[in-house]
Amino acid sequence: DADVTQTPRNRITKTGKRIMLECSQTKGHDRMYWYRQDPGLGLQLIYYSFDVKDINKGEISDGYSVSRQAQAKFSLSLESAIPNQTALYFCATSDTQGFSTDTQYFGPGTRLTVL
Amino acid sequence: QKEVEQNSGPLSVPEGAIASLNCTYSDRGSQSFFWYRQYSGKSPELIMSIYSNGDKEDGRFTAQLNKASQYVSLLIRDSQPSDSATYLCAVRTGRRALTFGSGTRLQVQP
Repeated sequence: DADVTQTPRNRITKTGKRIMLECSQTKGHDRMYWYRQDPGLGLQLIYYSFDVKDINKGEISDGYSVSRQAQAKFSLSLESAIPNQTALYFCATSDTQGFSTDTQYFGPGTRLTVL
Repeated sequence: QKEVEQNSGPLSVPEGAIASLNCTYSDRGSQSFFWYRQYSGKSPELIMSIYSNGDKEDGRFTAQLNKASQYVSLLIRDSQPSDSATYLCAVRTGRRALTFGSGTRLQVQP
């Protein structure tokens, strides 16, 4: 079984709809992240959480919200989806063993299309 | 100025050659540096990490870090067609999460 799972894997929705993307991990990591990827723009950080009570905005948090329901679960919501939120969304986890390591492990991605 | 910059490519090299991928970063306080490989439509996977100035070798991959010049590179020796992918440079500064560059697309020609 995959260590980091994302649901759904693909989603098509309409402008104005509320969408939730879910991420679960079995790695036992404290840290979880949500990124979006647009063609040619690399990965942009939306939100990150260093533990259940520590949630931080990333560089592009406007229009998104998150919930860290448990150590293993981190959900991303689009309250009112708009077409320019069409992108590939990745969840990632990391476990810092020593300050510098912080290797991130990525889920398979969710391809979201907003019409 | 973007925090982490990479040439988008494509960088085209013949099979068996050395591919050299470069990355510059803007924050002098950056402490940890990573190279991820991403195949089209797939998630990124870690190739190398480096924290100290100098070279770090792992099989056909060598990461090079020069903090004075704020420059990190990845060399791929004996390039194979299976190395064709987008390579993402990522930098960590302090307690913050990673900042990724936009990636360099590598094409290895058989």
